[in-house]
Amino acid sequence: LAKTTQPISMDSYEGQEVNITCSHNNIATNDYITWYQQFPSQGPRFIIQGYKTKVTNEVASLFIPADRKSSTLSLPRVSLSDTAVYYCLVGEGTFSGGYNKLIFGAGTRLAVHP
Amino acid sequence: NAGVTQTPKFQVLKTGQSMTLQCAQDMNHNSMYWYRQDPGMGLRLIYYSASEGTTDKGEVPNGYNVSRLNKREFSLRLESAAPSQTSVYFCASSSDSNQPQHFGDGTRLSIL
Repeated sequence: LAKTTQPISMDSYEGQEVNITCSHNNIATNDYITWYQQFPSQGPRFIIQGYKTKVTNEVASLFIPADRKSSTLSLPRVSLSDTAVYYCLVGEGTFSGGYNKLIFGAGTRLAVHP
Repeated sequence: NAGVTQTPKFQVLKTGQSMTLQCAQDMNHNSMYWYRQDPGMGLRLIYYSASEGTTDKGEVPNGYNVSRLNKREFSLRLESAAPSQTSVYFCASSSDSNQPQHFGDGTRLSIL
């Protein structure tokens, strides 16, 4: 069971870079790492997914060290609209392992201040 | 683009009543999921459907049943609602099991 651990909350200011780290010490060989963003009264929204090294898209970067026991979501130059809860999800990507591959943790509440 | 549509958005039930939550996706996705989210908590998987015609239990299936009606629709039924089932319910879909999930906006369910 790939349990994840994230900080409960973080604070930042507009224009700063924010890095949120997720620990997943017992990640399995076939597990992917996926991050989601959730605003109040909405469903989670996919941000980025990776397996190893670095992945970048138009909204974020994901850094994964060689041992894959942690990952860091990097949000460049945050704005007030980035205030949300961010979830790290570690899963095999198939259902052969059963439902325990699809477990969300409590997430990190990011508050961006003016 | 509709994406994942959930109905109803809000519902209040009395203990013991039954209800079906509806979910439909228009992205031709194979896999669909039902989660519940309690205040201040992450999402917990109730049931999932890897593909049309199959359903499997998730982390918290007790008190729920599901039906994958066709490729588009995946419903969640509460046969005898209990106050412990008061929660926000999210439906999601993905093209297959290793692709990111797309979520609906949720159904807020209160059971008195």
